[in-house]
Amino acid sequence: SAVISQKPSRDICQRGTSLTIQCQVDSQVTMMFWYRQQPGQSLTLIATANQGSEATYESGFVIDKFPISRPNLTFSTLTVSNMSPEDSSIYLCSVGSGGNTDTQYFGPGTRLTVL
Amino acid sequence: GENVEQHPSTLSVQEGDSAVIKCTYSDSASNYFPWYKQELGKGPQLIIDIRSNVGEKKDQRIAVTLNKTAKHFSLHITETQPEDSAVYFCAASGYNFNKFYFGSGTKLNVKP
Repeated sequence: SAVISQKPSRDICQRGTSLTIQCQVDSQVTMMFWYRQQPGQSLTLIATANQGSEATYESGFVIDKFPISRPNLTFSTLTVSNMSPEDSSIYLCSVGSGGNTDTQYFGPGTRLTVL
Repeated sequence: GENVEQHPSTLSVQEGDSAVIKCTYSDSASNYFPWYKQELGKGPQLIIDIRSNVGEKKDQRIAVTLNKTAKHFSLHITETQPEDSAVYFCAASGYNFNKFYFGSGTKLNVKP
């Protein structure tokens, strides 16, 4: 399975500011995904990021709030913009396993607290 | 779209006992069912998965069963150990492999 790292691992931010989360994979992957996990909750898909194309956002998530970049096959960023306390969550990136991309492997997550 | 329900939300067992977590799904087109274990402060870790052409899969103390007719699948952990304590998530995906639909999670507590 792919080795996935995320930076930062955690952060405490002030409302109204923005934070960019990085996701790095040790091998080239077609599909990268960004999830949000609110405290004690399940995983909610924010968007799917393909290299060379615009990210595809799920209902309830918009590009202005969560802009995503995918400059190459091993890297992606998610920005949480104009943050409010409701954005306090764990943000996770995952990658498709390649081939049929029928499974996903997750990074360690970024724990964000907005004051 | 797909809807995955997971039960129970919490499960407490004595070390050495078995634990069973059940999930149901709504979309008969779903054909891939992974299970993830999430320890405190970590990302979800894939522990076992099953495809719709298989009824059961086993990996040491962990097994998954699938009933396509009833549209439910279950995770079985035998001889539980304290290190099995974590939150477990089931998921389903179908013709669109890109999208996983997750259950609400089960917090398993294995008491020594």
